[in-house]
Amino acid sequence: KNQVEQSPQSLIILEGKNCTLQCNYTVSPFSNLRWYKQDTGRGPVSLTIMTFSENTKSNGRYTATLDADTKQSSLHITASQLSDSASYICVVSEASSASKIIFGSGTRLSIRP
Amino acid sequence: NAGVTQTPKFRILKIGQSMTLQCTQDMNHNYMYWYRQDPGMGLKLIYYSVGAGITDKGEVPNGYNVSRSTTEDFPLRLELAAPSQTSVYFCASSYSRAGGYEQYFGPGTRLTVT
Repeated sequence: KNQVEQSPQSLIILEGKNCTLQCNYTVSPFSNLRWYKQDTGRGPVSLTIMTFSENTKSNGRYTATLDADTKQSSLHITASQLSDSASYICVVSEASSASKIIFGSGTRLSIRP
Repeated sequence: NAGVTQTPKFRILKIGQSMTLQCTQDMNHNYMYWYRQDPGMGLKLIYYSVGAGITDKGEVPNGYNVSRSTTEDFPLRLELAAPSQTSVYFCASSYSRAGGYEQYFGPGTRLTVT
């Protein structure tokens, strides 16, 4: 069964610190992996997308990595800001005619001043 | 551009009542989707549409109906509300198949059925 597992479920860090969120998946065949940011009371917004051949991609202070062999991805946030407080969702797409999309349950990140 | 808009933002229904969740996008996207998000769970696909007049079931379609008469609008209908339908509902749209194209999400509708 295709699954996307994220860890930790929740995380609290101090403003200015770095953190790394993890995503493990069993989706096959693999098409691409996206990280979304979801602010409280809002819909998810895409941060990065990576295909099979990409190892790393950055979007400002957000850097995503992908290891397609071990089926693992991480999202690293540098110099955290209060506005980074949100849920971060890992989403993996199948490379099939159905293009099924599987959402992880997210990591709830809280930045403390 | 307003992007994807949803109404209402909040709604409380009694068991057995019906309602329609509205969704409109102004990006001329062909693909539209309805998801539900339960606490601590990933988004689950309810229905999707690949264009006006064409809809298909997702992962959890039971208890819901959709229609797509225009490119812009994709309403979701609950006919006989049940407590299990208490959730946050998100509408999304994309230019083409969402695997390779970014999905743009609306702000969500928080529905409580009591």
